[in-house]
Order: sequence, then C-alpha cells, then structure tokens
Amino acid sequence: EAQVTQNPRYLITVTGKKLTVTCSQNMNHEYMSWYRQDPGLGLRQIYYSMNVEVTDKGDVPEGYKVSRKEKRNFPLILESPSPNQTSLYFCASSLLSQRGTGELFFGEGSRLTVL
Amino acid sequence: GQQLNQSPQSMFIQEGEDVSMNCTSSSIFNTWLWYKQDPGEGPVLLIALYKAGELTSNGRLTAQFGITRKDSFLNISASIPSDVGIYFCAGQPAGGTSYGKLTFGQGTILTVHP
Repeated sequence: EAQVTQNPRYLITVTGKKLTVTCSQNMNHEYMSWYRQDPGLGLRQIYYSMNVEVTDKGDVPEGYKVSRKEKRNFPLILESPSPNQTSLYFCASSLLSQRGTGELFFGEGSRLTVL
Repeated sequence: GQQLNQSPQSMFIQEGEDVSMNCTSSSIFNTWLWYKQDPGEGPVLLIALYKAGELTSNGRLTAQFGITRKDSFLNISASIPSDVGIYFCAGQPAGGTSYGKLTFGQGTILTVHP
C-alpha cells in the first residue's frame, strides 16, 4: 500500500530536549516536504527536498533541521524544542513532474507538545 | 512568504445544500490545488488545476482556476454528512527558486447537519 509513515504520532517533551520526527515513503517519490498545522493558520511549509541531498527552506524553517540522505526518508529534527513549536506536523511526498510538486501524499501527522 | 486568503473560515450547512469556498492571492500561481482533511488524518488531494480558466470536476466537486491566476474556487453540490472536514486551497508558483514551495490557505471548516 502506498503510504507516507510518520513517527511518533504523539509526543510530549520538554523545552530543549532534542527530538527527531521520522518520515518514510514507499512510492519512490523525489519530492518530500514538512508542514506544521496550527489553528487559523492552515498548513505552513517548514522545509522541502527535491531529491537526495537537496533541501531548501520553506516559509517557517527557524528552529528546525532536515536531512535527505536516502530517497525514502526525510526526518525533521528539533535541536532545542521550544513551546512555540507545539503543533501538528505533517510530512508529504510527491513525484517531480513538469506540472510541479503539488500533488502531495500526506502522512497521518505527528502531534508534538513542548512543555 | 506568499499568503493565500481562504474564505469563508467556517460553514454550517444542511445536508443537501451546495457549498462554495474560494481562495485569493496577491501573487500569481501556476498551479492551484484543493485538499480535504478528515478529522485526525492528513490532507487528501481532491482536485488539481494547471491552466488559467480551467474548470475541473470530481464527482460532486467542481473547482476553477481563475483567469487572473490569483484565485480559485471550489464548489460542492448536494452536500452529504461525509463532506465534513477542513478544506484547504494551495498554490504553487512558477519554476525557478520557488519551484518546490507550496502555499496553503487557512482552511475552511465545513460542518454538515443531517
């Protein structure tokens, strides 16, 4: 089954404790991206990757890091989480095509609470 | 970054009614997309639009890519209870340095009363 898998689905942590949210897709997609969803703000892009070893900042990259060492995996790293990073996070992937990268497949989300 | 204004923010309708929502942008987009998010799940693509003026249907859903390339709308006809959820518009700019960027609207929360 084609899917994007995120882990953990739920996490409560404390300020400053480094954490990683993993994302893996089994569709051989070149493009992967991370979003955060906050009430009233919709989905905001954190980072994206057009292919292995190629990553770029989205609209809200501060406080986050990513890496793309393998095509299927795109982990999101919070080196020193702060309470304003409490949010619902989504990983998504798509094929690269002449039409763009917008036909995304989303994971089920990871709800992060930073105390 | 670029911003999309999506309206209305929420809608409460009776089953069987038609629904209309729209998105506007201050920037030109090459692609407009509409997603639906069911409670507790990730968004799912409903319709993708790639050409100014394009009108596309998917069952009871119809979406249009505005002629100015700065707006799009989504209509749902004869709503049913399973239409409940959050609907997002999204726009992707032309190529170049912004090729991988995708901007989402704030979402429209749809509630359907049986």
